[in-house]
Amino acid sequence: DSGVTQTPKHLITATGQRVTLRCSPRSGDLSVYWYQQSLDQGLQFLIQYYNGEERAKGNILERFSAQQFPDLHSELNLSSLELGDSALYFCASSAGKTAVSTDTQYFGPGTRLTVL
Amino acid sequence: DAKTTQPTSMDCAEGRAANLPCNHSTISGNEYVYWYRQIHSQGPQYIIHGLKNNETNEMASLIITEDRKSSTLILPHATLRDTAVYYCIVRDSNYQLIWGAGTKLIIKP
Repeated sequence: DSGVTQTPKHLITATGQRVTLRCSPRSGDLSVYWYQQSLDQGLQFLIQYYNGEERAKGNILERFSAQQFPDLHSELNLSSLELGDSALYFCASSAGKTAVSTDTQYFGPGTRLTVL
Repeated sequence: DAKTTQPTSMDCAEGRAANLPCNHSTISGNEYVYWYRQIHSQGPQYIIHGLKNNETNEMASLIITEDRKSSTLILPHATLRDTAVYYCIVRDSNYQLIWGAGTKLIIKP
């Protein structure tokens, strides 16, 4: 158990809909990361938050947005869903030391999103 | 940005040491090498990381060549539960982890 929690575990929805995925980081971690993993693909970095502020952006679509709240939990919002958005979505957290190469990320169990 | 190259798949007999190679010939002098594994669509699990010295923890050992262009992850006594995709990872210029396709390791009884 990494200490990172994600809800829900599974989500099934229809095209055009909007969903929210939730992540709680490990106790004491200030950084949260979101990743997307499509079937049999590697992980694609979406976005990182540090102590409530956006720190880095990866290949995140404009239809997707995220935020980190004062209690440090984070939500990833996916809107106008398309079939191709079906994937595993992982959240990771780290202590969040600034620009330090040893800031290890610990991953949650993921949310499996299926868009029908 | 530095990238890594790993074999697509490997087999290992249960109880034997599993040696997983990784090439990272463009790695810069202060970049760490990270290893994670992912067991059947579960969240990736951190294994170990290193800079230039060999590292060992309760899960594995990491051997990094002196020129730092390659490394080997060693699982000393592989079990069936070690069957997973193993990722050798470095960071990009924005300090984000670069995830490749990894090595699918199959432990055979």
